[in-house]
Amino acid sequence: QQQVKQSPQSLIVQKGGISIINCAYENTAFDYFPWYQQFPGKGPALLIAIRPDVSEKKEGRFTISFNKSAKQFSLHIMDSQPGDSATYFCAALGGGSTLGRLYFGRGTQLTVWP
Amino acid sequence: NAGVTQTPKFQVLKTGQSMTLQCAQDMNHEYMSWYRQDPGMGLRLIHYSVGAGITDQGEVPNGYNVSRSTTEDFPLRLLSAAPSQTSVYFCASSPFDRGRNKYFGPGTRLTVT
Repeated sequence: QQQVKQSPQSLIVQKGGISIINCAYENTAFDYFPWYQQFPGKGPALLIAIRPDVSEKKEGRFTISFNKSAKQFSLHIMDSQPGDSATYFCAALGGGSTLGRLYFGRGTQLTVWP
Repeated sequence: NAGVTQTPKFQVLKTGQSMTLQCAQDMNHEYMSWYRQDPGMGLRLIHYSVGAGITDQGEVPNGYNVSRSTTEDFPLRLLSAAPSQTSVYFCASSPFDRGRNKYFGPGTRLTVT
């Protein structure tokens, strides 16, 4: 059972445009929601993260929007650049018996055309 | 700091062979874990450890063993390789702030023929 559902699977955006990736979860015990960025041949790297008591977090051109009641969160990349072309994973951190376990979405391959 | 290192980078095995994927970190992190990445499947947790001497199973543990005798090292053993274990394997570590910020290694690409 997929704990975190991510869409779209792939995304093509023109340079300067806005990239939006969406994720949804069911388990209300999740209490930390990071996004990871992965370039080809590399391991994922933490990009930005949010706690569920915050509705939005912004770091530079990257923003997470969080809707606790809908159990959804999204990543917005403003002014997308060719260097942003990568695979993006949303994730959710477990609590309780799954303390510290990170559950990943299936990933979104972003391509930004110059 | 070297961060999280993994060896080998690439490996080809025949069905039935066994091998150990190595993972080491020099950040004194308590939490370490192994993931496999398959196309369209995201990253799935194989095994994890909250400290030396303590390990537990993740989502897809079958066919893999782990041990954690030191804080630094967390090897993953494939007992009898199968083609279904063809994948890219990532090791990750994190300080014990409930494992929030995970640092991933560069990965091992394994092919089982």
